[in-house]
Amino acid sequence: QVQLQESGPGLVKASETLSLTCTVSGGSVSSYYWNWIRQPPGKGLEWIGYIYSSGSTYYNPSVKGRVTISVDTSNNQNSLKLSSVTAADTAVYYCARTTVGAMAVFNIWGQGTMVTVSS
Amino acid sequence: QSVLTQPPSASGTPGQRVTVSCSGSSSNIGSNTVSWYQQLPGTAPKLLIYSNNQRPSGVPDRFSGSKSGTSASLAISGLQSDDEADYYCAAWDDSLKGPVFGGGTRLTVL
Repeated sequence: QVQLQESGPGLVKASETLSLTCTVSGGSVSSYYWNWIRQPPGKGLEWIGYIYSSGSTYYNPSVKGRVTISVDTSNNQNSLKLSSVTAADTAVYYCARTTVGAMAVFNIWGQGTMVTVSS
Repeated sequence: QSVLTQPPSASGTPGQRVTVSCSGSSSNIGSNTVSWYQQLPGTAPKLLIYSNNQRPSGVPDRFSGSKSGTSASLAISGLQSDDEADYYCAAWDDSLKGPVFGGGTRLTVL
């Protein structure tokens, strides 16, 4: 059974870079899309971007220019970096998997990790 | 402001049937399939419906989905207290070239 686990600092200072890792267990990162989705407190879901196991990426224009998603196939992980963070980036960050041809079907989710941006 | 529009709240009594709507446009729901997610309090979202009306293994048949034009609906029959959660719709958007979500609907079981 595939499981995803997000990890990283829970507190990031404004203007710095948020860095999170998603570790995949029980399966391989290969041949799947790995997405990052966030949810500000009390609000809805926002898709941040994805990476395919080959390394190709696509980002939501709302964060484009500040975001980088990478994949480490040897360690079965993918990572999110979001630069120049502000209070608006405070959210629960989720890692989720999708497959080719079903890019809006997030069939496996991590438990999420809360990141607070402090001033 | 979410790309897909959902009512912020819905409610029903145990045993009742409730529906949650999701409205989009020709670039998302109108040309792509819809998925639905259930988010229980304090937990990650869980896939409930995909390809408009397909249930993953383990999802009760009390949950059903449909799509017509640029709108979709999630129906929950035989409402139970455990169904109290937030429900989100999602679809691929051809203009964004990425997935978009609805703002979510909080379902209360009275």
